[in-house]
Amino acid sequence: EEQLLESGGDLVQPGGSLRLSCAASGFTFSAYAMHWVRQAPGKGLEWVSTITGSGSDRYYRDSVKGRSTISRDNSKNTLYLQMNRLRAEDTAVYYCTKGPGSFEYWGQGTLVTVSS
Amino acid sequence: EIMLTQSPATLSLSPGERATLSCRASQSVSNYLAWYQQKPGQAPRLLMYGASNRATGIPARFSGSGSGTEFALTISSLEPDDFAVYYCQQHSGWPRTFGQGTKVEIK
Repeated sequence: EEQLLESGGDLVQPGGSLRLSCAASGFTFSAYAMHWVRQAPGKGLEWVSTITGSGSDRYYRDSVKGRSTISRDNSKNTLYLQMNRLRAEDTAVYYCTKGPGSFEYWGQGTLVTVSS
Repeated sequence: EIMLTQSPATLSLSPGERATLSCRASQSVSNYLAWYQQKPGQAPRLLMYGASNRATGIPARFSGSGSGTEFALTISSLEPDDFAVYYCQQHSGWPRTFGQGTKVEIK
């Protein structure tokens, strides 16, 4: 059974940093592009970042570019999102998802709250 | 950036009725369009990919259509479990974008 388990969400002050992790199991992790999608409280879904299966290509939305780094460790079946210089508008549930283009499987999410 | 506009924002229907949800793209996305269902407190679930292909385990009452800039998700006969928020998403270009969602609520 496929499983994605996010962790690392926390309450952090504006300007702070956080690293999210996503442990994957039940499928060949290195064969799939992986993504982070977020959802602010009471709002819709927003794509954040994508990394290809090999890790050779990475994509970011403009609002996080330069502040965030997506990475993966295929030997550990784990996806990461390092977020720096956090802003109040980064407050959201962050979901880890897999899929070639559409997001075919989702984790349950981890909550990031940016507040003083 | 490709904008996706969903309509209506809210659809009030009774169980057994047919639901038709629309998603319009600001430029052609070919058939690189997916639909998701999200219930309160849960992660989204993929319903349709490639505009018209049901994901694994999705009941046949869900169907998708369209290509280019106009897409639709149809639920032929609403079950109590289908009342939720539905999002469309394109993966034709970067950044990946979602529509703002359509809430299907019980009338």
